[in-house]
Amino acid sequence: GESVGLHLPTLSVQEGDNSIINCAYSNSASDYFIWYKQESGKGPQFIIDIRSNMDKRQGQRVTVLLNKTVKHLSLQIAATQPGDSAVYFCAENPRETSGSRLTFGEGTQLTVNP
Amino acid sequence: ETGVTQTPRHLVMGMTNKKSLKCEQHLGHNAMYWYKQSAKKPLELMFVYNFKEQTENNSVPSRFSPECPNSSHLFLHLHTLQPEDSALYLCASGYRGKNEKLFFGSGTQLSVL
Repeated sequence: GESVGLHLPTLSVQEGDNSIINCAYSNSASDYFIWYKQESGKGPQFIIDIRSNMDKRQGQRVTVLLNKTVKHLSLQIAATQPGDSAVYFCAENPRETSGSRLTFGEGTQLTVNP
Repeated sequence: ETGVTQTPRHLVMGMTNKKSLKCEQHLGHNAMYWYKQSAKKPLELMFVYNFKEQTENNSVPSRFSPECPNSSHLFLHLHTLQPEDSALYLCASGYRGKNEKLFFGSGTQLSVL
């Protein structure tokens, strides 16, 4: 399953399928990007990050892709599990700031059906 | 656990009350942040503290008053709030001068009646 930025804030997939969550960012000066996962009743939890000198970065079951040309970021989750159900946020940080000053997107609600 | 602890987890207050939110981080970070998360809206940055100094106030109304006595503790003092201030208030910590991820607490769910 795949989401498309702010126009599809929910994504429903079957357990075992791959999920793709998309994010469009606006600041061409941003050089650091993060994906967070937020479960109900909890704060955002770090998943994976990527800097602008990279196009792709892989973690455990997750991959982040960065396309600077069209200012697009995506999170791919392999073999999605029920425990992956949560809201996923992308965040960007401008290059000119000293230290983190993350700006967050609206989030995508991922629901994994057993 | 993320190493960032917030208390209380839930708070209900009237518009004339005064209350405080507390945040403590055990990660050795030197920057702390307050974010506001309203329903169906992105997280909004409120305040940033580096080494106890406030380096950013993102046009936050004066009824929110932050305090950072040291690099491990952060407070948000609340007074004469409005119902529209009801939200989840999140504390985060990170490293000053480094463009890196932030670690968030679980937040305080605030309801203003």
